[in-house]
Amino acid sequence: SQKIEQNSEALNIQEGKTATLTCNYTNYSPAYLQWYRQDPGRGPVFLLLIRENEKEKRKERLKVTFDTTLKQSLFHITASQPADSATYLCALDPGNTPLVFGKGTRLSVIA
Amino acid sequence: DVKVTQSSRYLVKRTGEKVFLECVQDMDHENMFWYRQDPGLGLRLIYFSYDVKMKEKGDIPEGYSVSREKKERFSLILESASTNQTSMYLCASRLRGNTIYFGEGSWLTVV
Repeated sequence: SQKIEQNSEALNIQEGKTATLTCNYTNYSPAYLQWYRQDPGRGPVFLLLIRENEKEKRKERLKVTFDTTLKQSLFHITASQPADSATYLCALDPGNTPLVFGKGTRLSVIA
Repeated sequence: DVKVTQSSRYLVKRTGEKVFLECVQDMDHENMFWYRQDPGLGLRLIYFSYDVKMKEKGDIPEGYSVSREKKERFSLILESASTNQTSMYLCASRLRGNTIYFGEGSWLTVV
């Protein structure tokens, strides 16, 4: 069956370091992969989208990679700040059916 | 900016009551979705709609129904609320093939 996993339920990191979050999937051939941020009690907010033919995408301090051979995406936040503390969700987008979300990784950036 | 508005932020209902959760989007999106989110279970898709008057079951449709009479509005109905439907409900919309926009969420407590 189709499966998407975010390896860490929670990740603690020191301010200024790079946070790396992992998303693995099986039995999918996604056209896109997306990352969202969710703050407590709020709806998720879109951050980045990467296509299957793209290896890497950047936006300010954020970087996403997409390896369709490994069936894995990595999400990096460089120079992390306490304001980056949130839950981060990855989502597979097959292109013609609803997105499938991972359960999320709760990131805490400690000052 | 795209806006997805959920009519009620917090609701408390009694077991057996019929509950309506309303969602309106202002960007003429074709696709609309209802998810519920519970600790440890992530986002789970209840129902979605590709267009007016169309509806498709998601992963957990039991105990729910939906209505989409107008393009901008997608309603989730709990026919007879039960305590195991206590959750945060998230509405979302998207243009096909693009990012998904979420509402702020509706916290439903069934007592």
